[in-house]
Amino acid sequence: KNEVEQSPQNLTAQEGEFITINCSYSVGISALHWLQQHPGGGIVSLFMLSSGKKKHGRLIATINIQEKHSSLHITASHPRDSAVYICAVSHLIQGAQKLVFGQGTRLTINP
Amino acid sequence: DAGITQSPRHKVTETGTPVTLRCHQTENHRYMYWYRQDPGHGLRLIHYSYGVKDTDKGEVSDGYSVSRSKTEDFLLTLESATSSQTSVYFCAISEGLAGIGNTQYFGPGTRLTVL
Repeated sequence: KNEVEQSPQNLTAQEGEFITINCSYSVGISALHWLQQHPGGGIVSLFMLSSGKKKHGRLIATINIQEKHSSLHITASHPRDSAVYICAVSHLIQGAQKLVFGQGTRLTINP
Repeated sequence: DAGITQSPRHKVTETGTPVTLRCHQTENHRYMYWYRQDPGHGLRLIHYSYGVKDTDKGEVSDGYSVSRSKTEDFLLTLESATSSQTSVYFCAISEGLAGIGNTQYFGPGTRLTVL
């Protein structure tokens, strides 16, 4: 079993729909990261969470430390949100973060 | 965007040849990382650096070495490339402030093909 599991692996929705991507992890962590990767490859960090909830525009990320679970929500989804969303957990070693990544969720938003 | 560049961006090489990938940052961040990304495996940490001349292994370090002689450059070397090292390689940096850790900023990636 992988340390980080994401679901669903693929998600197709219509423009305007509310999107939820889930991430579960199996061991204690220092923080959880959500990343976005568009076709063409660039990786952008969306959120880093150690507790609670963060919001940036139409994106909301939550984490439940006791349940070892995080969700990424997209409100009023748009075709430009189509990308792969990657969850990663970090372990602090000598101040560096060793990230362990989920397999990613491929999101397609149709107009 | 964080100032991170990777070179080369694309490389095709033959099995058994040495290859060096360069990551260069202009942010003066302490921590630097090398990852590889493969279908079916996602992103995996190869090596990381927590300061000049200070490096350590990640989860898939076999066949790779790294060096960091100055803050801005982190080099990844494949001493003798193999076809299993065909991948997309990403460099990342983070500030390393005290506490839970920091956002990592990723470079544009290097696509390496080993024939």
